[in-house]
Amino acid sequence: AQSVTQLGSHVSVSEGALVLLRCNYSSSVPPYLFWYVQYPNQGLQLLLKYTSAATLVKGINGFEAEFKKSETSFHLTKPSAHMSDAAEYFCAVSEYGGTSYGKLTFGQGTILTVHP
Amino acid sequence: GAVVSQHPSWVICKSGTSVKIECRSLDFQATTMFWYRQFPKQSLMLMATSNEGSKATYEQGVEKDKFLINHASLTLSTLTVTSAHPEDSSFYICSAKSGDQPQHFGDGTRLSIL
Repeated sequence: AQSVTQLGSHVSVSEGALVLLRCNYSSSVPPYLFWYVQYPNQGLQLLLKYTSAATLVKGINGFEAEFKKSETSFHLTKPSAHMSDAAEYFCAVSEYGGTSYGKLTFGQGTILTVHP
Repeated sequence: GAVVSQHPSWVICKSGTSVKIECRSLDFQATTMFWYRQFPKQSLMLMATSNEGSKATYEQGVEKDKFLINHASLTLSTLTVTSAHPEDSSFYICSAKSGDQPQHFGDGTRLSIL
């Protein structure tokens, strides 16, 4: 079984400040990990993914995430927040193989607010 | 690339009617499509997984006779909510993937049952 926990349902930062969104996962097999962003009344857009290659993954819009197996974490960061980053962010885990092939399990989501 | 189109984006209908939602992969062949449901201020919950030409696999607790899924081609899957009731009101999102590639999501359909 797989699960994802996102610490903090709301994160608020000032424009230009560091963004840190936390994600911890649980998986019975080596996981694939994803971060998605959702704007109001829209679907999800893939920001970045970890698929067992480099542990530091760079994505779109200046975001990156680091896979830390020892901490079972995959936190999302961005050095300098922009107003357009305000949205809801979802961390997701996928197990490749078996009956759960390709299925995503999502965290609860973190709403990011960016203040001028 | 990897665009998924979902239609309609918003639908309002009377209780007891059936509603069909379409999910299309526009520029790739989707071997697998997924249907999710999202309640306000909550995460996405997987409803079912469908592979082209096969019957959909439903998650535990999802009524397959209530939520009919058809995946007749590599670019189209449909979700039909039969005899919809107010408790079926929600945001429904589809996604599509090809092989080992990540899922790409549609923009969702907001369903309101009066």
